[in-house]
Amino acid sequence: QKEVEQDPGPLSVPEGAIVSLNCTYSNSAFQYFMWYRQYSRKGPELLMYTYSSGNKEDGRFTAQVDKSSKYISLFIRDSQPSDSATYLCATQGNFGNEKLTFGTGTRLTIIP
Amino acid sequence: SAVISQKPSRDICQRGTSLTIQCQVDSQVTMMFWYRQQPGQSLTLIATANQGSEATYESGFVIDKFPISRPNLTFSTLTVSNMSPEDSSIYLCSASGQQETQYFGPGTRLLVL
Repeated sequence: QKEVEQDPGPLSVPEGAIVSLNCTYSNSAFQYFMWYRQYSRKGPELLMYTYSSGNKEDGRFTAQVDKSSKYISLFIRDSQPSDSATYLCATQGNFGNEKLTFGTGTRLTIIP
Repeated sequence: SAVISQKPSRDICQRGTSLTIQCQVDSQVTMMFWYRQQPGQSLTLIATANQGSEATYESGFVIDKFPISRPNLTFSTLTVSNMSPEDSSIYLCSASGQQETQYFGPGTRLLVL
């Protein structure tokens, strides 16, 4: 079993829709949870990170972590064509000085 | 956030040869890491580049195949040695300060023929 599972998609939604991206993880030692966005032929770009359970909002993006079910979510409101990218969830035990454990990434396309 | 550059951005190499990838950060960082991203797969950590000492390799990766240098707090290199087509991948450098998130470079796309 992979430490972090993520549906690879692809996922296509119409512009303006709410997008829900999800991951599950198996290691209860993970404390930090990140979402990266990766455009084609670019490196991953950090979108947001959260510590432990709870929600964090940044503009149109909301990250949600439920440690009891080991479930990580990213919601995108009012989706735009520029949101079309691969979204990678990642987890970490200790902030900063540990490796990131990634999901496989979900490829998202927003249809104008 | 740190700005990270990598050279080369892409290369096509013959099997049996070696390629050295450079990673430059625009500020001093505590940690530097090297990842591999294969098509349809997760980013996988190859090793942690330690300044002034030998790199720490993940299971399945060895120093003879992926020698790493980190001469200072802003620069690291990864060499892919004795390449085979299975080494075709994207190689990514990342960096973080103490208690900071990891930022990634643009990646090096390697094709081995």
